[in-house]
Amino acid sequence: ETGVTQTPRHLVMGMTNKKSLKCEQHLGHNAMYWYKQSAKKPLELMFVYNFKEQTENNSVPSRFSPECPNSSHLFLHLHTLQPEDSALYLCASSQGGGIQGPVGKLFFGSGTQLSVL
Amino acid sequence: AQKITQTQPGMFVQEKEAVTLDCTYDTSDQSYGLFWYKQPSSGEMIFLIYQGSYDEQNATEGRYSLNFQKARKSANLVISASQLGDSAMYFCAMRGGSSYKLIFGSGTRLLVRP
Repeated sequence: ETGVTQTPRHLVMGMTNKKSLKCEQHLGHNAMYWYKQSAKKPLELMFVYNFKEQTENNSVPSRFSPECPNSSHLFLHLHTLQPEDSALYLCASSQGGGIQGPVGKLFFGSGTQLSVL
Repeated sequence: AQKITQTQPGMFVQEKEAVTLDCTYDTSDQSYGLFWYKQPSSGEMIFLIYQGSYDEQNATEGRYSLNFQKARKSANLVISASQLGDSAMYFCAMRGGSSYKLIFGSGTRLLVRP
């Protein structure tokens, strides 16, 4: 049982749809992350939240809108996506406050496989 | 700018043998951490091992060890006694200074042959 749960596991949407990805962590962490994993590309960091405050937006298009209502939940709202946005979206959490060392390692969910038609 | 390079897109290893997965990095930070993750077909990224830039000894975690050569800026993962369940994608990653960013390499796909 992973400490980071992502739903849904798979999502197919049209370019005009609006959908949301959900992430929940049960590890008592204070930092949460969204990563995008496209085929044949390294994982790309999208957003970082630390103690519910967004600390990183890695030049992500506005059609991706994150929301972090509390330290345990993270959402990624999607609207008017493009086919090139099809990818595996991974959520992760870690101890907050910029903790370094192995204690600051990220714990990942299983991801949402998104297909945009 | 920080960069992680994994030059082996795919590797084969015979079951029960050892295998080394290469990772080189580039950073201007004096303090940084290096991580290895495993990603099986299920998609979840699983933490394997960590090496801090000031750690004098190479990190070990069970069958995993990290061959850390600071001067060469390399952090190779060594898996001993390979098992069929080790077949997966392996990613090297780095976090520098007090940054929240964990930067990943492009990964190496390891296939363990019976």
